[in-house]
Amino acid sequence: NAGVMQNPRHLVRRRGQEARLRCSPMKGHSHVYWYRQLPEEGLKFMVYLQKENIIDESGMPKERFSAEFPKEGPSILRIQQVVRGDSAAYFCASSEQGNYGYTFGSGTRLTVV
Amino acid sequence: SQQGEEDPQALSIQEGENATMNCSYKTSINNLQWYRQNSGRGLVHLILIRSNEREKHSGRLRVTLDTSKKSSSLLITASRAADTASYFCATDESSYKLIFGSGTRLLVRP
Repeated sequence: NAGVMQNPRHLVRRRGQEARLRCSPMKGHSHVYWYRQLPEEGLKFMVYLQKENIIDESGMPKERFSAEFPKEGPSILRIQQVVRGDSAAYFCASSEQGNYGYTFGSGTRLTVV
Repeated sequence: SQQGEEDPQALSIQEGENATMNCSYKTSINNLQWYRQNSGRGLVHLILIRSNEREKHSGRLRVTLDTSKKSSSLLITASRAADTASYFCATDESSYKLIFGSGTRLLVRP
């Protein structure tokens, strides 16, 4: 079991470009969570998804950010028209059931230049 | 505001000493967890303590929970240079949502 796989590990985007972050959950896990970590801070919840459904997106910025978890393939966190303030580490976690017994991936570090 | 807040923000100790980190939170919880994060890496789950537990041990880790004071502590005994990392407490806002504190940055000097 390879664990939660996130790619890319590092992503550099210019202001105004789009960033697409991918997360493949652990085998057998159908619940995915995205968290964001700003420098020198703790993780903050963004969104919780099950296959083809967004369960809770209360932590997602209202504009430019979207997430999906299709029936087939990884979960995608998409950030349109990135700005410098989007620079952060984005972590994905997955669980077998919808609870906090989840496993984190190694994260994607987004740098907006 | 943050549910969990760690104290101190930074801690520097000599190898072999004990390290104690504290976490305070504001609302009722079912569980409290501690995670470790090495620089530039992901989170590693260390230990979970339930609200009806007062103390829990795992190897060199000892966690206490005082629900009356809404606080928890993480003790690392006989620290090693490899323990150098950031340590976060996380409380459950719901069955699936964790609220993390800002972390304690621990430096263990060889």
